[in-house]
Amino acid sequence: QSALTQPASVSGSPGQSITISCTGTSSDVGGYNYVSWYQQHPGKAPKLMIYEVSNRPSGVPDRFSGSKSGNTASLTISGLQAEDEADYYCSSYTSSSTPNWVFGGGTKLTVL
Amino acid sequence: EVQLVESGGVVVQPGGSLRLSCAASGFTFDDYTMHWVRQAPGKGLEWVSLISWDGGSTYYADSVKGRFTISRDNSKNSLYLQMNSLRTEDTALYYCANARGVVEPFDYWGQGTLVTVSS
Repeated sequence: QSALTQPASVSGSPGQSITISCTGTSSDVGGYNYVSWYQQHPGKAPKLMIYEVSNRPSGVPDRFSGSKSGNTASLTISGLQAEDEADYYCSSYTSSSTPNWVFGGGTKLTVL
Repeated sequence: EVQLVESGGVVVQPGGSLRLSCAASGFTFDDYTMHWVRQAPGKGLEWVSLISWDGGSTYYADSVKGRFTISRDNSKNSLYLQMNSLRTEDTALYYCANARGVVEPFDYWGQGTLVTVSS
């Protein structure tokens, strides 16, 4: 299965907003609303930040939001904070072969 | 508090076998689908396999199909991954993660166990 396409890196200053894109196909991102986003700090396990395109689990700040248009999903972080610096991965349910899940290649967010 | 603790990762030669375990606590294990996800050193996440709450359905990534077998023991709150015919490209940190259903997101992740395939 091919990974979803994410930019390798994005950056922003504290207080600014950034958006990370995640491009797939009609067999994954475009075909289902089962897109989720994970945050991973160095040496740590991933943490669920957004599920079903735009829903936030309990405890995730409302500075994090998600959306989708066609085959591309997006994660937006507003009011950037230093602790947001991490790797971010999108994921989607896919029916491209046997039902399974596919991840994006990851985006390194740097808070300047 | 949800806890997922992986174990069993070691250095193994190409062609060898290994069994990973994941001990779960803090949630009703047999209500959840369970996944294995791996991360090669310095690389991104790769979904490996999932098993439904009752073990009745299992799915695998093409890269491991026919070589890896996922299983669970609900009486022991444990998840397993039997890995056979290991290749150097299987070298990775292996995470277990839980989900409320087959199409639900990965709610919680363990800290991972490192598998190194090298001669």
